[in-house]
Amino acid sequence: QVTLRESGPTLVKPTQTLTLTCTFSGFTLRTRGEGVGWIRQPPGKALEWLAVIYWDDDKRYSPSLKNSLTITKDTSKNQVVLTMTNMDPLDTGTYYCAHESTITIFGVPRESYFDFWGQGTLVTVSS
Amino acid sequence: DIQMTQSPSSLSASVGDKVTVTCRASQTISSYLNWYQQRPGKAPKLLIFAASTLHSGVPLRFSGSGSGTDFTLTISSLQPEDFATYYCQQSYSTPLTFGGGTKVEIK
Repeated sequence: QVTLRESGPTLVKPTQTLTLTCTFSGFTLRTRGEGVGWIRQPPGKALEWLAVIYWDDDKRYSPSLKNSLTITKDTSKNQVVLTMTNMDPLDTGTYYCAHESTITIFGVPRESYFDFWGQGTLVTVSS
Repeated sequence: DIQMTQSPSSLSASVGDKVTVTCRASQTISSYLNWYQQRPGKAPKLLIFAASTLHSGVPLRFSGSGSGTDFTLTISSLQPEDFATYYCQQSYSTPLTFGGGTKVEIK
């Protein structure tokens, strides 16, 4: 059974750094094609992809936030950590981590999808 | 970035109705298209991946179709638990992008 759970502060001040931890179980993040991504959702708005880290430590970031994001993994602890610097009130929202699976055909990666999600953690940026 | 445009942004329907939601990509994405359902206050759930493959445990009344730039999510007979917001998402290239959502409300 795959589960993910986000943890971190619920309130941060503008300009501070946010550190969120995703603790997972039911997979190892050592299997080809596996990844863990972060997605956020401002109140009442749509989902926005932030970053993903793959089994081989490949990392991808949203270009609009690339300079403020860092994603790392610790497979010995079954954790993925996202840090976001210089937080702004516009960064207020629910932050989700999710397991990403990739379809591989003859060793070539193809479609991917977020098949398991954490419950999300609400982060408010306010002074 | 690939822009994903969903229509309508909201719709009202009754239990038992057939519901169709469309998603258009700003460039061709082959079949790299996923659909998610999000109920209020809950995390999104995967419904369909690779445009038309039903995720494990998802009821058969949900189906997806399309390829290239135009995609459709269909609910054949709307059930009370289906009232939610639906999102499409492309996985063709990073940055991964989601549509703006379609809220399905009770008529």
